[in-house]
Amino acid sequence: EIVLTQSPTTMAASPGEKVTITCHASSSVSYMHWYQQKPGASPKPWIYATSTLASGVPDRFSGSGSGTSYSLTINNVEAEDAATYYCQQWNYPPITFGSGTKLEIK
Amino acid sequence: VQLVESGGGLVQPGKSLKLSCSASGFTFSSYGMHWIRQAPGKGLDWVAYISSSSGTVYADAVKGRFTISRDNAKNTLYLQLNSLKSEDTAIYYCARWTTEGIGDYWGQGVMVTVSS
Repeated sequence: EIVLTQSPTTMAASPGEKVTITCHASSSVSYMHWYQQKPGASPKPWIYATSTLASGVPDRFSGSGSGTSYSLTINNVEAEDAATYYCQQWNYPPITFGSGTKLEIK
Repeated sequence: VQLVESGGGLVQPGKSLKLSCSASGFTFSSYGMHWIRQAPGKGLDWVAYISSSSGTVYADAVKGRFTISRDNAKNTLYLQLNSLKSEDTAIYYCARWTTEGIGDYWGQGVMVTVSS
């Protein structure tokens, strides 16, 4: 089973700052997906296949990485970006998720 | 696309429960489907997968206790939960899976509470 380690676990940013969340895989994976989840809601697909934004996702979000190291970056973070972000890999089931990064906006 | 889970509730340890996920707005039979759960205040935890051809895979934590199935004629996904434990307490989501390996649509979730 591939273990995904996300960092940081929590973070706080001011509007307009740049934010980077990292996801490290215990073995090399072909790509990484990302979800956004707000309290009381289901996870939403956010970034597909490492770097493709899901429909409706603002272009201040971007994704990058390869092998065992991936990241989600938010340029000019806004209040609406407050949420928990999860990385996820699928080489084949078992699917695994990172433990999540909670982003708070100051 | 809509996924609507049902069947959750409060159940005693050792008992059983069957969850349903009613799908609409797409060709259900063409998609692999997953159950994913989230314990209160915790992260996402994959439970089980069923392919479009009904092949199944389970997480080790539920293998032998949970059974995923589908009825394509009814556009419905199921999860039979047996021998429930307190650690199975969670919101259970069904999700449609794409060939790229991401859940592109998720249900609203259904709460399962295992407690005496």
